[in-house]
Amino acid sequence: AQSVTQLGSHVSVSEGALVLLRCNYSSSVPPYLFWYVQYPNQGLQLLLKYTSAATLVKGINGFEAEFKKSETSFHLTKPSAHMSDAAEYFCAVSVQGAQKLVFGQGTRLTINP
Amino acid sequence: EAGVAQSPRYKIIEKRQSVAFWCNPISGHATLYWYQQILGQGPKLLIQFQNNGVVDDSQLPKDRFSAERLKGVDSTLKIQPAKLEDSAVYLCASSFLIAGGRSGNEQFFGPGTRLTVL
Repeated sequence: AQSVTQLGSHVSVSEGALVLLRCNYSSSVPPYLFWYVQYPNQGLQLLLKYTSAATLVKGINGFEAEFKKSETSFHLTKPSAHMSDAAEYFCAVSVQGAQKLVFGQGTRLTINP
Repeated sequence: EAGVAQSPRYKIIEKRQSVAFWCNPISGHATLYWYQQILGQGPKLLIQFQNNGVVDDSQLPKDRFSAERLKGVDSTLKIQPAKLEDSAVYLCASSFLIAGGRSGNEQFFGPGTRLTVL
């Protein structure tokens, strides 16, 4: 079975600082990996996804993530945080033949002025 | 392109009452999902439909939860009777199934229905 662990339920950074949200996965077969963002009282929006092409994936709003098989990680980064990045971020995994997503617990990102 | 529509957005009921949620997916999306998101947790899949057939309902509490997608388009999720622990946001999502069933397809989420059971 697949699972995802997000390290840190709450991350706080200053505006302009580097954002790093950590995600480790467990899967017995090659995974597909996703990062979603959720703003208050809204549904989830896809930031980026890894589907076995390039290991460095660029997404919307300046975010990117790198798939590292040896570390079973898919950490999300953004070079310079903006106030509008404050939200809940979810890492998720799926595998071919099973389209369902298995989500991590989420990380709440707070941006300090 | 219109997104995934859900109604109602908010619902408050007493325990042991019944409640139903409605979802209309993006036009042309064959696959529809219902997730339960408890406060402070990630979404958990309840049921997955492909057209009007159930693909996965392994985590659906079938003694009280039911869902249908009769015409392969919109869907209804029902809880009867509700318990306090059912308080959560219920998210509907849809995706376009590429021929061959490759995973990695993006799921598009609706705004959710926030259920409070008193």
